Amino acid sequence: NAGVTQTPKFRILKIGQSMTLQCTQDMNHNYMYWYRQDPGMGLKLIYYSVGAGITDKGEVPNGYNVSRSTTEDFPLRLELAAPSQTSVYFCASKYRNTEAFFGQGTRLTVV
Amino acid sequence: GESVGLHLPTLSVQEGDNSIINCAYSNSASDYFIWYKQESGKGPQFIIDIRSNMDKRQGQRVTVLLNKTVKHLSLQIAATQPGDSAVYFCAENEQVPSGGGADGLTFGKGTHLIIQP
Repeated sequence: NAGVTQTPKFRILKIGQSMTLQCTQDMNHNYMYWYRQDPGMGLKLIYYSVGAGITDKGEVPNGYNVSRSTTEDFPLRLELAAPSQTSVYFCASKYRNTEAFFGQGTRLTVV
Repeated sequence: GESVGLHLPTLSVQEGDNSIINCAYSNSASDYFIWYKQESGKGPQFIIDIRSNMDKRQGQRVTVLLNKTVKHLSLQIAATQPGDSAVYFCAENEQVPSGGGADGLTFGKGTHLIIQP
């Protein structure tokens, strides 16, 4: 099992550019999540999905979009990058009411 | 405010001593709690969990204590080693804001555990 795989590991974007952060898991988990982690802070929930075709907003969804066409994949889209989106992004997956498994993160800088 | 928080941002301990990291939570409906370890440049890694029908759970060198009366969680690490140096997060599993019944983890800010030689 590869677990949760995120790509890319690092990215620098210019203000106004767009990009997609990729996340895939091979554990057949139905729940998937995107979190962002700002320096010295905990993780804040951006979006989540309870299964293919179902997504919903978390605590900080503005400026992001997601899709869940398959159980394995849960990409996060930034349409118009802003400096406030400079952060480390973590994807996670789990079954209901169990621990979550995290990817290694994508470090994004918007300049 | 945050529903899950940690009392101290940094904890410094001598190698070989025991470490105790504390966490307070505010959602009395939460019934599942997890401790994660995050090393620099990596994603959070599961350490140990506990459900609300228990007040103590032990793993290898780690123990989690849950006090539901005062909504307090602690992680004890025995015989702390250099490899234990990391940021430790407690997380509570609760319903996500949509109210659709899905659950997710809410994290505190973390405690940075520093090991002194």
